[in-house]
Amino acid sequence: DTEVTQTPKHLVMGMTNKKSLKCEQHMGHRAMYWYKQKAKKPPELMFVYSYEKLSINESVPSRFSPECPNSSLLNLHLHALQPEDSALYLCASSQFSGQATGELFFGEGSRLTVL
Amino acid sequence: RKEVEQDPGPFNVPEGATVAFNCTYSNSASQSFFWYRQDCRKEPKLLMSVYSSGNEDGRFTAQLNRASQYISLLIRDSKLSDSATYLCVVNIKGSSNTGKLIFGQGTTLQVKP
Repeated sequence: DTEVTQTPKHLVMGMTNKKSLKCEQHMGHRAMYWYKQKAKKPPELMFVYSYEKLSINESVPSRFSPECPNSSLLNLHLHALQPEDSALYLCASSQFSGQATGELFFGEGSRLTVL
Repeated sequence: RKEVEQDPGPFNVPEGATVAFNCTYSNSASQSFFWYRQDCRKEPKLLMSVYSSGNEDGRFTAQLNRASQYISLLIRDSKLSDSATYLCVVNIKGSSNTGKLIFGQGTTLQVKP
C-alpha cells in the first residue's frame, strides 16, 4: 500500500465546477509534488512544494491552484477546467527537494474527467 | 532536445531473454538518477536508484555514464511479471538550490511466454 494517500480516486466535473484534489503523507517528507499524466505519456511536473512553500510552478494555467496547508497535506484546487485537462493527477513526496532529490513516493492518483 | 529521452519501444521479448534500455539526459549538472516502473493504470514505483559505480539488484543492473550522459537498465532472465513501462527519471538542476525530477517518456516492455 502506498504511504501517500490521494482523494478522490475518481472525479468527474463540468467546466464550470470548482473541485479539489487532496493528498496526504505521514512520512515526514518536506517536499511534495503534483504531476499530471495523460494516457501513454510520462508524468509531467506541475508544482513542487518545499517546506510548505511553492518552489516550482511549471507554467501551469491559473485554473489549477495548489495549496499546502501543512507539511503533511497538499491540495490542488480546480476551477473552470477544460476537457483537455482530463488526466491522472499524481501526488508525490520526497524527503527533501533540491539538487539531490531522493526517491519520489507516489499516491495512486486521482483520475479526473472534465465534461 | 528533450531533457530526458528514452526509446518508447515497445520491446517484445520472450521469457528468459535479456533486455536493455537506455536513457539520455541533457543537463550535465544532474546528480540523481532513477529507474521507475509503472504498471497499466497504476502509479510509478521506484525500481532502483542509479549510482556512479553502477548497481545491481537481483536480475536488474543499472549503469550511469556521466561522460556520455546516459543511464541504462539491464534486465536478465525476463519474467512475464516484468511487463510494464520503465521510466527513466533525472534530477534537473533548477534555479538557486532547486531541482526537479523529470521523467523520460518511458519504455514499454512486453514479455511473452
